Amino acid sequence: EAGVTQSPTHLIKTRGQQATLRCSPISGHTSVYWYQQALGLGLQFLLWYDEGEERNRGNFPPRFSGRQFPNYSSELNVNALELEDSALYLCASSFRGYEQYFGPGTRLTVT
Amino acid sequence: DAKTTQPNSMESNEEEPVHLPCNHSTISGTDYIHWYRQLPSQGPEYVIHGLTSNVNNRMASLAIAEDRKSSTLILHRATLRDAAVYYCILQDNYGQNFVFGPGTRLSVLP
Repeated sequence: EAGVTQSPTHLIKTRGQQATLRCSPISGHTSVYWYQQALGLGLQFLLWYDEGEERNRGNFPPRFSGRQFPNYSSELNVNALELEDSALYLCASSFRGYEQYFGPGTRLTVT
Repeated sequence: DAKTTQPNSMESNEEEPVHLPCNHSTISGTDYIHWYRQLPSQGPEYVIHGLTSNVNNRMASLAIAEDRKSSTLILHRATLRDAAVYYCILQDNYGQNFVFGPGTRLSVLP
């Protein structure tokens, strides 16, 4: 069974640009979670989607947004990129359960 | 804020048992206790979870105190591959997102 996949693996953007990160959950999973792991700050919760709806949002500005598609894949958009947005962005999926399965992450570098 | 406290780091010798403690004194009756670990350059991976009773799986054991205010993750025989950051997390609702703390960085010495 394929795990959670994320694309791209690496993304380099310039300050002020927009970044789009993608996540494909494990087949059958309906929930997708996004986390940010910046250097020295640990894992911070960003967004949670379930059945196409946003269920919860972490303490991040509105320029962090996303959506979940009918096939349960998800997209994270970061507008007006700032240098401090440089981080590893992790996606996890779950099926109405307690276990979350994480993908390998997208490394975003903002220059 | 994370609702758990863990030691910043621990060290173990290879092939010896490791006991990783976690304090969660404000745990509520419906909170599940989760343990995840993150190996270098990888996303976190599930280790084990429980509610009240001790739990065992192929990776580890979870010992939960009777008052549920603390728990211990037990790796029965540490290997070099077990070197990782271990996170103890409480989840209050079914499917709810996790709030990660800084975790415990486990080093395994050969």
